[in-house]
Amino acid sequence: QVQLVQSGAEVKEPGASVKVSCKASGYTFTTYPIHWVRQAPGQRPEWMGLINTGNGNTRYSQNFQGRVTITRDTSPSTVYMELSSLRSEDTAVYYCARQRGYFGYDFGRWFDSWGQGTLVTVSS
Amino acid sequence: QSVLTQPPSASGTPGQRVTISCSGSSSNIGSNPLNWYQQLPGTAPKLLIYGNNQRPSGVPDRFSGSKSGTSASLAISGLQSEDEADYYCATWDDSLNGWVFGGGTKLTVL
Repeated sequence: QVQLVQSGAEVKEPGASVKVSCKASGYTFTTYPIHWVRQAPGQRPEWMGLINTGNGNTRYSQNFQGRVTITRDTSPSTVYMELSSLRSEDTAVYYCARQRGYFGYDFGRWFDSWGQGTLVTVSS
Repeated sequence: QSVLTQPPSASGTPGQRVTISCSGSSSNIGSNPLNWYQQLPGTAPKLLIYGNNQRPSGVPDRFSGSKSGTSASLAISGLQSEDEADYYCATWDDSLNGWVFGGGTKLTVL
């Protein structure tokens, strides 16, 4: 079955960087894009960006442009999200999610499988 | 101001039917299919409805989605205690060039 398994919780100081991994299994890794979505305590999910796991192309939310970098290794089937210049407001659970569908498809695109989440705490 | 607006809370008794609304604009709901996610406390969101009204395999047919113009709704019939969760709508926004989520609706089963 499809599984996305993320790395463990992190505690970082303000100004530092964090790199979270997301290992995919149960399907052909390069077929579907992977997105990163974060959720601060009590808040709505917030989209950060995506990577085309086939060619490595990325697209980032304007809110994180310049601070977030998403990369992938096809072997093993892992996607990484690095967020720099951390501040207290970045404290959140970070999720990776697999995209199904495609732009222009009648049913659009959606996130059908999610990682378990990685808590990143930014505190001095 | 939220891009996608949902009521913060909803409630019903077991067996009842409840609906949750999601209101947006021409750049998001008005021009892109909408998805719904269910999030139980301490867990990742789970896909409930995609493409406005499609149910993934394994999702009970008690859950249904609809869309009209720049608004959408999630309906849950035959309410059960296990339906108590947060529900989020989400779609692509052409103006923001990114995915947007509603503020979430906390469903309580009385």
